[in-house]
Amino acid sequence: DADVTQTPRNRITKTGKRIMLECSQTKGHDRMYWYRQDPGLGLQLIYYSFDVKDINKGEISDGYSVSRQAQAKFSLSLESAIPNQTALYFCATSDAAGDYNEQFFGPGTRLTVL
Amino acid sequence: TQLLEQSPQFLSIQEGENLTVYCNSSSVFSSLQWYRQEPGEGPVLLVTVVTGGEVKKLKRLTFQFGDARKDSSLHITAAQTGDTGLYLCAGVINDYKLSFGAGTTVTVRA
Repeated sequence: DADVTQTPRNRITKTGKRIMLECSQTKGHDRMYWYRQDPGLGLQLIYYSFDVKDINKGEISDGYSVSRQAQAKFSLSLESAIPNQTALYFCATSDAAGDYNEQFFGPGTRLTVL
Repeated sequence: TQLLEQSPQFLSIQEGENLTVYCNSSSVFSSLQWYRQEPGEGPVLLVTVVTGGEVKKLKRLTFQFGDARKDSSLHITAAQTGDTGLYLCAGVINDYKLSFGAGTTVTVRA
């Protein structure tokens, strides 16, 4: 079984709709992250969480919100989706005890906003 | 503005040839990571380089960290079709933040 899972894997929605992307992990890591990937731009950090009560904004948090429901679950919401939020979204985890912040990624969600 | 610039953006070679991918920055990083991403999947960590001048080998892949810890390279010897993918470098900013390059798409033709 995959260590980091994301649902859904693909989603097409319309402008103005509320969308939630979910992430679960079995690695036992405290730290979880949400990134978006756009062609030619690499991965940009949206939000990160060190534990259930510690959530922080990343570089591009506008238009997004998150919820850390448990150590193993971290969800990303788009309250009112817009077309320029069309992208690949990745969840990742890392071990707080690790030396180099090595991250483990889920398989991604391809989101299309029409 | 990205801290890390990767070159080339695209690379297509024949199976059996060698290739090198570059990752450059004007910033100093405490360490640098390389990931490979295949279509429909998330990035997978290949290696972390920590010390300036460090060279690490992973089978046919050789990773080098520049002496000043601002740049890195990935060299693949005798490329195979299984090496096809998007190669991403990521500089470690602090204990939670990585700065990713835009990636190099490598295609190895049979």
